[in-house]
Amino acid sequence: AQSVTQLGSHVSVSEGALVLLRCNYSSSVPPYLFWYVQYPNQGLQLLLKYTTGATLVKGINGFEAEFKKSETSFHLTKPSAHMSDAAEYFCAVSKNTDKLIFGTGTRLQVFP
Amino acid sequence: DAGVIQSPRHEVTEMGQEVTLRCKPISGHDYLFWYRQTMMRGLELLIYFNNNVPIDDSGMPEDRFSAKMPNASFSTLKIQPSEPRDSAVYFCASSIRHQPQHFGDGTRLSIL
Repeated sequence: AQSVTQLGSHVSVSEGALVLLRCNYSSSVPPYLFWYVQYPNQGLQLLLKYTTGATLVKGINGFEAEFKKSETSFHLTKPSAHMSDAAEYFCAVSKNTDKLIFGTGTRLQVFP
Repeated sequence: DAGVIQSPRHEVTEMGQEVTLRCKPISGHDYLFWYRQTMMRGLELLIYFNNNVPIDDSGMPEDRFSAKMPNASFSTLKIQPSEPRDSAVYFCASSIRHQPQHFGDGTRLSIL
């Protein structure tokens, strides 16, 4: 069975600081991995995805994530946080993108 | 292109009433997913369809919940009778095989 663990339900950073949101997965087959962002009163938007190929994936809004098979991790980073990055972030895993298993989410707060 | 459209955006009703949530997927997408989001349980997949056929309904909580997809451009999620514990935000998402899911803005359901 597949599962996702997001360490830290809340993360706070100062504007301009590094953002690091952690995601570890469990999968019996090579996984497809995703990060989604949810702004208040909205649905989820895709930030980035890993399917095959290059393990460093770049997404929208300056975010990127690195697939590390040996660590079963897919952490999300952004070099410099912006106030508009405040939102909830979800990591998800899938065997084939048809059925996603989501983590419990990490709420990012950005302070001026 | 129009995204996934859900209606209503908000629904408040009394316990015991029938509730119908509606979803219009993105044109050309052949997968449709229904999710429920609560503080306690996070984001849960309820059911998903492929080419209008239900593929996996193992997440449907109980017989009070039912979902249909009569054609490629419309799906409903029905709760009858509704209970206070059904209060949640319900999301619909659609996709093409092997491509990321696109989410609607959700229906915020409150059962009094």
